[in-house]
Amino acid sequence: EVQLVESGGGLVQPGRSLRLSCAASEFNFDYYAMHWVRQAPGRGLEWVSGISWNSGKLGYADSVKGRFTISRDNAKKSLYLQMNSLRAEDTALYYCVRDEGFYYVWGQGTLVTVSS
Amino acid sequence: MVMTQSPATLSVSPGERVTLSCRASQSVSTNLAWYQQKPGQAPRLLVYGASTRAPGIPARFSGSGSGTEFTLTISSLQSEDFAVYYCQQYESWPPVTFGQGTRLEIK
Repeated sequence: EVQLVESGGGLVQPGRSLRLSCAASEFNFDYYAMHWVRQAPGRGLEWVSGISWNSGKLGYADSVKGRFTISRDNAKKSLYLQMNSLRAEDTALYYCVRDEGFYYVWGQGTLVTVSS
Repeated sequence: MVMTQSPATLSVSPGERVTLSCRASQSVSTNLAWYQQKPGQAPRLLVYGASTRAPGIPARFSGSGSGTEFTLTISSLQSEDFAVYYCQQYESWPPVTFGQGTRLEIK
């Protein structure tokens, strides 16, 4: 079964860092671009960041540019999101998604809570 | 690029036909997807390419439109269709943008 499993979320104080991971299985991970999408509690979907199959193209939402860094390890079939200088407004469920333009494959999400 | 969905909330009865709208601030051709999200679940892809149903999606869901105006129609609402629906443009990234969502409520 094609699967994405996120991990690394948790409670963190404002200004601190957190690294999210996403493990892919049962598909050719190095064939696809991968993205992160988040959803704040009770709110809509917000695209956060994307990375091409070979890491040659990176993109970030304006709200996280300069603070978040996306990366991937194709040998490990893993996607990462390094989140620095976290703010309360970064509190959200973070989803890892497989990019086909549209998003057919989603993980279950990992919750990040930024609070003192 | 801004995606605007309307209405924000729609109260409908089971069996009714419903049309949800999504407007793009500039043309996205047919690079438009629709998602359904139920509480506690990840979004589920319903339609991509503006009008192609994703695998396993019932025929009562249909998408149409191109350029800047798009619609998702549910021909006869079932109880399991009450959820939040999002449109998404993927003309090019960055960025990818979603609409703010339309909530379908039971009347």
